[in-house]
Amino acid sequence: EVQLVESGGGLVQPGGSLRLSCAASGFTFSSYWMHWVRQAPGKGLVWVSRINSDGRSTDYADSVKGRFTISRDNAKNTLYLQMNSLRAEDMAVYYCTRVVGLTRFDYWGQGTLVTVSS
Amino acid sequence: QSVLTQPPSVSAAPGQKVTISCSGSISSIGNNYVSWYQQLPGTAPKLLIYENNKRPSGIPDRFSGSKSGTSATLAITGLQTGDEADYYCGTWDSSLSAGVFGGGTKVTVL
Repeated sequence: EVQLVESGGGLVQPGGSLRLSCAASGFTFSSYWMHWVRQAPGKGLVWVSRINSDGRSTDYADSVKGRFTISRDNAKNTLYLQMNSLRAEDMAVYYCTRVVGLTRFDYWGQGTLVTVSS
Repeated sequence: QSVLTQPPSVSAAPGQKVTISCSGSISSIGNNYVSWYQQLPGTAPKLLIYENNKRPSGIPDRFSGSKSGTSATLAITGLQTGDEADYYCGTWDSSLSAGVFGGGTKVTVL
């Protein structure tokens, strides 16, 4: 059974940093591209970032470019999102998702909540 | 503001049909497959339709998708109370080199 379990969310002050993790199991993690998608409270889904299967290629939404870094450890079956210079508008539930093709997000984690507040 | 445009809400009585539109551009829907996701209250999104009109295993055929030009449509027939949820379309935008979603449509069963 495919499972994606996010962790690392919490309360952080504006300008602070946080690293999210997504532990994958039930499939060959190193064969899949992975994405992060976020959802602010009461709002819609917003794409954040993606990484290819070997970790050498990444893309970011303009809103997080230069502040967030996506990475992966295929030996540990884990996806990461390093978030720096956090802003109030980054407050959201962050989901990791497995992708087939460009945007067939076929499995999603349960999400982890990031709260940015002083 | 979302790159893809969806109506905020649609509603119908049990057993009826609803359709949800998703409008984009040549660089998004026009040149890429569209997926649809269902998000029940308090849960993560779930893949409903992929590659415009294909259903993952376990998704009933009451749900169907189509695409024409720069627009896509999700149809739900035989509406059930359990279908009350938010529905999102999504695709890739080749010009932005970014994933894009619609703003979501809330389906209400009257």
